[in-house]
Amino acid sequence: QSALTQPRSVSGSPGQSVTISCTGTSSDIGGYNYVSWYQQHPGKAPKLMISDVSKRPSGVPDRFSGSKSGYTASLTISGLQADDEADYYCCSYAGRYPVVFGGGTKLTVL
Amino acid sequence: QVQLQESGPGLVKPSQTLSLTCTVSGGSISSGDFYWGWIRQPPGKGLEWIGNIHYTGTTYYNPSLKSRIALSVDSFNSQFSLKLTSVTAADTAVYYCARVRANGDYIYWFDPWGQGALVTVSS
Repeated sequence: QSALTQPRSVSGSPGQSVTISCTGTSSDIGGYNYVSWYQQHPGKAPKLMISDVSKRPSGVPDRFSGSKSGYTASLTISGLQADDEADYYCCSYAGRYPVVFGGGTKLTVL
Repeated sequence: QVQLQESGPGLVKPSQTLSLTCTVSGGSISSGDFYWGWIRQPPGKGLEWIGNIHYTGTTYYNPSLKSRIALSVDSFNSQFSLKLTSVTAADTAVYYCARVRANGDYIYWFDPWGQGALVTVSS
């Protein structure tokens, strides 16, 4: 099972919005609504930011939103803040595999 | 709230067995809605799911690691454990344990995560 495809890096200025894409196949993102997103600061454990494509866990700011279209899921961060600078990973249920992560995207806040 | 903490040797020799334990606090390991999982991250690289275990003992493993993995659970002590046999340098990674929202092999999400344990495979 191949990893989901994410851009290696994205950047934005404080206050702006950025979107991180995560592309899979009909066997993972395209087939199920079990996409999750994780934020990882350097040297720290990943933190769940979005579950089930677009659900925000308690405590996650509403600046973070998730969506899906076809084989691509997206994480949008609006009103960028310095603390948003981190690595972001998407994850999807993948049927018989049964779970696969993306390669990660480094977000830089300029 | 639920917290998880990994423990185990930080250095393992090639061909030997890597053993880690995750202790769960602040919640019950016997919650039927959740599994308990392991995920690893080689230095500077991405995340790789290893496997999940339910308090009943039901397990699901990454097919690429299945022949070398064994997960177990100790509900009395609120712990679950990972054993990875025949390790090589490629198994050097930070190993995370996490609570897993899942329905059988339908894995929904991982939350929360432990702080991680770096395991280096070297002679």
